[in-house]
Amino acid sequence: SQQGEEDPQALSIQEGENATMNCSYKTSINNLQWYRQNSGRGLVHLILIRSNEREKHSGRLRVTLDTSKKSSSLLITASRAADTASYFCATDAPGQNFVFGPGTRLSVLP
Amino acid sequence: KAGVTQTPRYLIKTRGQQVTLSCSPISGHRSVSWYQQTPGQGLQFLFEYFSETQRNKGNFPGRFSGRQFSNSRSEMNVSTLELGDSALYLCASSVEAWSGRAPRTQYFGPGTRLLVL
Repeated sequence: SQQGEEDPQALSIQEGENATMNCSYKTSINNLQWYRQNSGRGLVHLILIRSNEREKHSGRLRVTLDTSKKSSSLLITASRAADTASYFCATDAPGQNFVFGPGTRLSVLP
Repeated sequence: KAGVTQTPRYLIKTRGQQVTLSCSPISGHRSVSWYQQTPGQGLQFLFEYFSETQRNKGNFPGRFSGRQFSNSRSEMNVSTLELGDSALYLCASSVEAWSGRAPRTQYFGPGTRLLVL
């Protein structure tokens, strides 16, 4: 069964705006990772957050993790057209290999 | 370092045929995992190989199989193809196998797009 569920399914914003995507999961996890996928291509690793961490930053990316709510959010600040892609969260849980959510399709309009 | 490479990139087969996909991991990576991506089911884990041994397996029928060679390159095979096998097949490599303890990052190849007619 799917562990991660992203929300929203699709998001359209203007360049320069911030984009926020959420991921919820069902069971306890060891860590959660975010990946980006450009149309029909492979996935690119963005950031990993461990279960004992609450927030991590990488460039224009900010990830938060709330283990009490079993949720994570990915914030992309000052978005660019090149950020247009699908974004997936993947959870690594005891007894469960990498499980990906259905993804959020982000469109950044120039 | 060169990234993960997958061949072929595109493939068209007919129902009942079999297909073999190939994946070359990043140099030094010993774990190779395979995923199937479809619009309906999303990304689903097929199996993982580490040091030529299958370490984990997803919930797929026995028509899906794989192997890993001593140089860590991996192949996956799908026999008796069905229309529903049309998908993007992604391979990912990492230094270590999934252990359920230490976090690990997987590096993905560009995928092989399989169309079954």
